[in-house]
This record gives sequence, C-alpha cells and structure tokens, in this order.
Amino acid sequence: KAGVTQTPRYLIKTRGQQVTLSCSPISGHRSVSWYQQTPGQGLQFLFEYFSETQRNKGNFPGRFSGRQFSNSRSEMNVSTLELGDSALYLCASSLFLAGGEETQYFGPGTRLLVL
Amino acid sequence: KQEVTQIPAALSVPEGENLVLNCSFTDSAIYNLQWFRQDPGKGLTSLLLIQSSQREQTSGRLNASLDKSSGRSTLYIAASQPGDSATYLCAVSGTSYDKVIFGPGTSLSVIP
Repeated sequence: KAGVTQTPRYLIKTRGQQVTLSCSPISGHRSVSWYQQTPGQGLQFLFEYFSETQRNKGNFPGRFSGRQFSNSRSEMNVSTLELGDSALYLCASSLFLAGGEETQYFGPGTRLLVL
Repeated sequence: KQEVTQIPAALSVPEGENLVLNCSFTDSAIYNLQWFRQDPGKGLTSLLLIQSSQREQTSGRLNASLDKSSGRSTLYIAASQPGDSATYLCAVSGTSYDKVIFGPGTSLSVIP
C-alpha cells in the first residue's frame, strides 16, 4: 500500500509569511505526528493528532499549529515565519502511537527554507 | 524529562566489519524504543521496534537489544555493507500518550 506522502517537497518563503504543509498518512492509519528536524536541534516533536484531536504537543510556540481531517489527512501551519523555522518537516503515521505496538512510518519530508 | 543520547556521533568502518551503535535514555519508564535509518535529505525508515517487555529484536543483519533498567539499547549490524551508510537514530516513547524523543543520531560510513 502507498506510504506516507507529504506536499510540497520543497518550499521557499520569506520572513513574516505563513506556510501550510500537508501530510497524507498510510491508508487506515489514524495517528499523525509532525516533527521538525534541524542540524542544530535534531528531530523535535511538534504535535500528534488522533481521530481529528490533538493528543500531544511539543515545546513549540503558538505560531506552529495543526489539524487533522476526518480522512486522517493532516496539515500543519506556521505563521509569521522566522529564519530559524528553516528545517525539514517530517510527518509520521501509525495505527496507534505511544501505547500501542505500532511502528511509526515516516514520509519523505518537506524542506522549508525561510529567507 | 526524558533525554536520549547516542554514541558515537560518527563512525567509519571498512566493509564487512561488524559494528555496534549505542543509545542511552534517562527515564526507564518507556513503552517502546525504535531504531530508524535516515539517508541524506530523506525521511526516516523504521528498522526495529522493541517493546519495553522485550529484550531484543532481529531483522536480517540487524539486531537491537534493550536493557530498560540501565537505560540502554544497542543496534548491532553484522557484515556491514556500503549501502548501510546512513544516519541511525533511536527514539523512545513514554508510558502514556507521550511524545516520542529522538536521539541525535550516529552517522555511519561503510568504506568499500
């Protein structure tokens, strides 16, 4: 079956703009998590959605938000972009996260460059 | 607060050598530990997942062990190949609906 897909794959924005990234999980998966990866901070958890509800949130400012739709597709939004938001944003899906036996499956990521 | 570290940060070995990557975590109250592989500029590929009740998992040339009480996991790669060159990350999940904490990764280079 198809893997996790993320769109767009690459994005260039300028400071102050906002951006929306999209993630389509593996069919049947209801949990979607988002991560930010930078050379300096490594992989950091942003938030997780399960059945359209945000179930957990990492330590990121309110400029980072997300949502999940009834078909489990998820979007994350970053408002008022800063240079430090330049990163690879990864999405992962699983049947059940953090409490189940399910492996996380990662998408290829969206590389965001803020100028 | 859970912290995950990985040693070494980088490793270069000749092809055919067996090698061990290490992962340590500070809070032993984990639900599972997962090893991932990441190729440059790409997403993560899950290699092995070990539940807290398990001691090890094997897949092909890979073997991962978990010692929850000491807060350690190792990833053993047998007969390394150039195609194994990548960054290897370990990640732990907490005992509730907790976020997944990743280690910084070990960059592996297998020289032909």
